[in-house]
Amino acid sequence: DTGVSQNPRHKITKRGQNVTFRCDPISEHNRLYWYRQTLGQGPEFLTYFQNEAQLEKSRLLSDRFSAERPKGSFSTLEIQRTEQGDSAMYLCASSFLESGYTFGSGTRLTVV
Amino acid sequence: QQQVKQSPQSLIVQKGGISIINCAYENTAFDYFPWYQQFPGKGPALLIAIRPDVSEKKEGRFTISFNKSAKQFSLHIMDSQPGDSATYFCAAAGNTPLVFGKGTRLSVIA
Repeated sequence: DTGVSQNPRHKITKRGQNVTFRCDPISEHNRLYWYRQTLGQGPEFLTYFQNEAQLEKSRLLSDRFSAERPKGSFSTLEIQRTEQGDSAMYLCASSFLESGYTFGSGTRLTVV
Repeated sequence: QQQVKQSPQSLIVQKGGISIINCAYENTAFDYFPWYQQFPGKGPALLIAIRPDVSEKKEGRFTISFNKSAKQFSLHIMDSQPGDSATYFCAAAGNTPLVFGKGTRLSVIA
């Protein structure tokens, strides 16, 4: 197992376009988290899954954001009608219940 | 409302010195306090973590000190090395996803 994998690593998109990111967690981990990190800030929680159930969503997660984790394996995060304020690093992490999170290297989104 | 307050924002330490980063929290339901290290272009990596039933935990050159009554915890890096130069985040959780501090950028100079 090579850890948490995120794709793509970088994404540049025009304002108004839709983007989708993928996260492949560590296979034994049943929880998967999405965080957003902007320059000079700590990661901010967006949403998390336990197996295939989405258990919590942050108020930061506007209606333009949607996340899925079909069959409790990989997850996708989609942003519709992107805005310049969506530019950030999107981090995925996985854990077994509440134990230490393992983060991926993130997807850096730039909206132009 | 920032649930975990971290200081300082940046820190410069001489090689071989001790680096100290502090965090304070408000939510008494928090019961898990990890520290993460992040290098540019990488995701945060778990460094060390503590639960409130102990006041100190040491792993190699890294030590967490925890003060439950003051709702504060700190990271000490002994014998700091240039390779320790990174951004460090404290975090906290209690049956909720981790909430992170804003980070401390550590520079260890020779």
